[in-house]
Amino acid sequence: KAGVTQTPRYLIKTRGQQVTLSCSPISGHRSVSWYQQTPGQGLQFLFEYFSETQRNKGNFPGRFSGRQFSNSRSEMNVSTLELGDSALYLCASSYGPINEQFFGPGTRLTVL
Amino acid sequence: LAKTTQPISMDSYEGQEVNITCSHNNIATNDYITWYQQFPSQGPRFIIQGYKTKVTNEVASLFIPADRKSSTLSLPRVSLSDTAVYYCLVGAPEAGTALIFGKGTTLSVSS
Repeated sequence: KAGVTQTPRYLIKTRGQQVTLSCSPISGHRSVSWYQQTPGQGLQFLFEYFSETQRNKGNFPGRFSGRQFSNSRSEMNVSTLELGDSALYLCASSYGPINEQFFGPGTRLTVL
Repeated sequence: LAKTTQPISMDSYEGQEVNITCSHNNIATNDYITWYQQFPSQGPRFIIQGYKTKVTNEVASLFIPADRKSSTLSLPRVSLSDTAVYYCLVGAPEAGTALIFGKGTTLSVSS
């Protein structure tokens, strides 16, 4: 069974631009969560989607948004990029218990 | 969500058993304890999960005392490839529950 895939793997943007990251969960998984990882703040929860509905949201500004499609694939968008948005963005999917999540390799976003 | 406390770092040598203890004094009745492993520039990987007593799988064991206020991840005979960050998480497997990762424990295994 294929794992969680994320595209692109690497991305370089400049301040003020916007970016869209994509995540394809493991087949059959309906829950998709997004996390931001930085050296200073560690792994922080962004939001979680299940059946196209956002069920939970972390403490991030409204510039961070996401959505989930009917095939469970998810996208995350960050508008008006700031230097501090440079991070590894991780997507995780799960089938059942929310504690047991399968993570993708991440998208490394660099904002210049 | 219960807050967890674990050592920032640990050092070990190949072939030794490593025990990483996590403290979670405010664990709730329906909370489970889950451990993840993360290598540099990769996403975390689920290692083991338990509710009480002892759980063992092919890579690790998880010991949980009766009061459930702490837990210990045991890695038998570690190798260099076990060098990673290990996260202890506590939470209920309910819809919409967010995983809260702490700082984790950086395990360094030397030859």
